[in-house]
Amino acid sequence: DIQMTQSPSSLSASAGDRVTITCRASQSISNYLNWYQQKPGKAPKLLIYAASSLQSGVPSRFSGSGSGTDFTLTISSLQPEDFATYYCQQSYSAPPWTFGQGTKVEIK
Amino acid sequence: EVQLVESGGGLVQPGGSLRLSCAASGFTFSTYDMHWVRQATGKGLEWVSAIGTAGDTYYEGSVKGRFTISRENAKNSLYLQMNSLRAGDTAVYYCARGDQSELARKYYYYMDVWGKGTPVTVSS
Repeated sequence: DIQMTQSPSSLSASAGDRVTITCRASQSISNYLNWYQQKPGKAPKLLIYAASSLQSGVPSRFSGSGSGTDFTLTISSLQPEDFATYYCQQSYSAPPWTFGQGTKVEIK
Repeated sequence: EVQLVESGGGLVQPGGSLRLSCAASGFTFSTYDMHWVRQATGKGLEWVSAIGTAGDTYYEGSVKGRFTISRENAKNSLYLQMNSLRAGDTAVYYCARGDQSELARKYYYYMDVWGKGTPVTVSS
């Protein structure tokens, strides 16, 4: 199975900050990488698929990049509603569809 | 409105059984793969099981042989029969829709619609 590792596990940032989250795959997954946002007590929400394609309705301050084993999710200017936990997921070799352990973005 | 609504969660003793349901609406259920994903309290997301449009099924290793996923297209419903439950199965269980998009002649798969989840607690 492909293992997904995110870093950091948590970060503190202020509104307006630029935030970058990293996801690393245990083997090359080309660009078969999705990003999800989850707020406390809520279901996950798809943000980005194919490493860099924005899901319909997702604000353009979210962007994704990377290929192979290393990927990033960037929030260009953090908004109050962006404080949440973010998960990467690979869809290159599935099942299983494996997730990273999550990165919690907290208010500084 | 595209929607998934889970039900059937609850408290069950170790070794017991539970059947989760997921009611779909707002889309043609029969044309989509469907998934169950779980999340233990304070933990990350863990894929559990999937069923394809042709009824092909897939399971995460620790639930293989204990859980059975099924679908009833006429009722727009997804199910997860969970037997021989363990404390480690305690989690919120989400159903999710699988879909794909084509980019540059490649197909990219993702889970784009999620229910709100149903909690399962395995405890004596």
